[in-house]
Amino acid sequence: GAGVSQSPSNKVTEKGKDVELRCDPISGHTALYWYRQSLGQGLEFLIYFQGNSAPDKSGLPSDRFSAERTGGSVSTLTIQRTQQEDSAVYLCASSPPREYNEQFFGPGTRLTVL
Amino acid sequence: GDSVTQMEGPVTLSEEAFLTINCTYTATGYPSLFWYVQYPGEGLQLLLKATKADDKGSNKGFEATYRKETTSFHLEKGSVQVSDSAVYFCALRSRSQGAQKLVFGQGTRLTINP
Repeated sequence: GAGVSQSPSNKVTEKGKDVELRCDPISGHTALYWYRQSLGQGLEFLIYFQGNSAPDKSGLPSDRFSAERTGGSVSTLTIQRTQQEDSAVYLCASSPPREYNEQFFGPGTRLTVL
Repeated sequence: GDSVTQMEGPVTLSEEAFLTINCTYTATGYPSLFWYVQYPGEGLQLLLKATKADDKGSNKGFEATYRKETTSFHLEKGSVQVSDSAVYFCALRSRSQGAQKLVFGQGTRLTINP
């Protein structure tokens, strides 16, 4: 079956520009997560959505970062006024209802800020 | 806060060697523990998990035992293969209410030479 998909796979942008990264979770999965993988910080949690509940935004590094999840499915992570330290691989994961120990990861979006 | 510390590597072994990658954690209560693997050019995949003390997770010849007394979850394999070359991440998920995020170690790059 289809796994978690993310687009674009690669994104190169200039410092100061805004970017949008998209995640399509596995159909039927109610939980969706964003993580960031960078050389300096390793793998770190950004934000978590569960159904219609308020998202857990505790991992967002600054107010330049935001995310939304429309219709309980697709999610978009937006980074405004990108900085070079935002360069990383952004990973999305989803998990089935009540199965929080099973997070399925997408291939990631590699973001390079010049 | 919760944290995971793992052997940073890189680790280079010959085929059929015995593998141990150390992982220790700090968490409130008794978290669920995981090993994820990232093969070259691929996304993160769950390798194995353990959800309570003394549980042993196993998959593809890899094993890890949840040791509460030493707060450890070391990954082992008796005879590695070239195809095991990858980056391995130890992770935990807290049992605190609402804490569904994964906390990852820094990752260990493993290279197996024929």
